[in-house]
Amino acid sequence: EIVLTQSPGTQSLSPGERATLSCRASQSVASVHLAWYQQKPGQPPRLLIYGASSRATGIPDRFSGSGSGTDFTLTISRLEPEDFAMYYCQQYGRSPWTFGQGTKVEIK
Amino acid sequence: QEQLVESGGGVVQPGRSLRLSCAASGFIFRSFGMHWVRQAPGKGLEWVAVIWFDGSKTDYADSVKGRFTISRDNSKNTLYLETNSLRAEDTAVYYCARICGGNCPGAFDMWGQGTMVTVS
Repeated sequence: EIVLTQSPGTQSLSPGERATLSCRASQSVASVHLAWYQQKPGQPPRLLIYGASSRATGIPDRFSGSGSGTDFTLTISRLEPEDFAMYYCQQYGRSPWTFGQGTKVEIK
Repeated sequence: QEQLVESGGGVVQPGRSLRLSCAASGFIFRSFGMHWVRQAPGKGLEWVAVIWFDGSKTDYADSVKGRFTISRDNSKNTLYLETNSLRAEDTAVYYCARICGGNCPGAFDMWGQGTMVTVS
């Protein structure tokens, strides 16, 4: 099983600041099989990034993904009020499909 | 519009069973593989099961293997999860999610709102 470890657990930032979220895999993940999801309280997850760096339909360009192998990053260039939420990385190249434990981006 | 709507959750005693359903609309259901993902209260996301678009293949998390069964009825545009021998640790919101087929192959591009299962 591929274990995904996200850091930090919580990131406290102000609107307009840059958020950098990390996802580290226990073994190499093909970039085409790495995704990021956003989840707000009481809502289902929403796909943000697939293939490590491609934005899903309707996702603003302030969201970007990068990385390869075992280290991946989600960057939010300038935080908008609606961006404060939980973020999960996921690998979908190999069963069992696995998620990281999440990073909470909260308002400072 | 494209939509997934789960149902069938509730409060159930340990050892009992529940059948969860996920009704799809607004897209060609039979063309897409589907997953179940769960989220325990205050916890992260846990993948549960997957089924191929035609039902020909399924796979399960070790935590539910032998107790849960995923299935689908493409004539009814509905996905199912039969949950048996339920345990307290199965308490969670259960989401169905669609496997993206086109521009984002493999990613989970659509999710339902979830149905809550409480084992107590």
